[in-house]
Amino acid sequence: AQTVTQSQPEMSVQEAETVTLSCTYDTSESDYYLFWYKQPPSRQMILVIRQEAYKQQNATENRFSVNFQKAAKSFSLKISDSQLGDAAMYFCAYTREGSGNTPLVFGKGTRLSVIA
Amino acid sequence: ETGVTQTPRHLVMGMTNKKSLKCEQHLGHNAMYWYKQSAKKPLELMFVYNFKEQTENNSVPSRFSPECPNSSHLFLHLHTLQPEDSALYLCASSLRSGGDTQYFGPGTRLTVL
Repeated sequence: AQTVTQSQPEMSVQEAETVTLSCTYDTSESDYYLFWYKQPPSRQMILVIRQEAYKQQNATENRFSVNFQKAAKSFSLKISDSQLGDAAMYFCAYTREGSGNTPLVFGKGTRLSVIA
Repeated sequence: ETGVTQTPRHLVMGMTNKKSLKCEQHLGHNAMYWYKQSAKKPLELMFVYNFKEQTENNSVPSRFSPECPNSSHLFLHLHTLQPEDSALYLCASSLRSGGDTQYFGPGTRLTVL
């Protein structure tokens, strides 16, 4: 079974600094997708970034970028120029490619605090 | 409205009550999901519907009964719940059920007394 592990239950970062959140996963599949979701205090789960496993290039979305290491099964999220609004729970998630049922598998999350 | 909406946002119910949670997506997606989020636990997938057909029931107790009348609407009917069922219930949708990005609603905070 696929598993997703986030080893940092809590992280903190100074405003305007950079922080990296870790995620590792276990799968025997070769085609899959990885995601980072953000859940602020409002509880709305918001997509931050998505990575296709077949792409070697790391995905980026403005201040958010990933370091995808397929061989190591590692998928870390880097947040640059951290802002107060970045404070939230961050969840790493995995789903395999397929025409059938391929639900998301989530990690336990990392709570990020941003210090002014 | 756009995106995925859920009603009610908060619900308090007794163990003998019957209530329903509603989810609606305005994204033209074909797959819809119910997740349960409890404190200190990863999100747990409960049900998956693909083109109105249930394709996943993740060993959910029968006191939770899903209904998907069309690709845009998903319900979760609740009856004789237990206090341990108190949690945030999240609905999500995706274009298809295989590998596509899931978009989430704001959730329903359920408290069972």
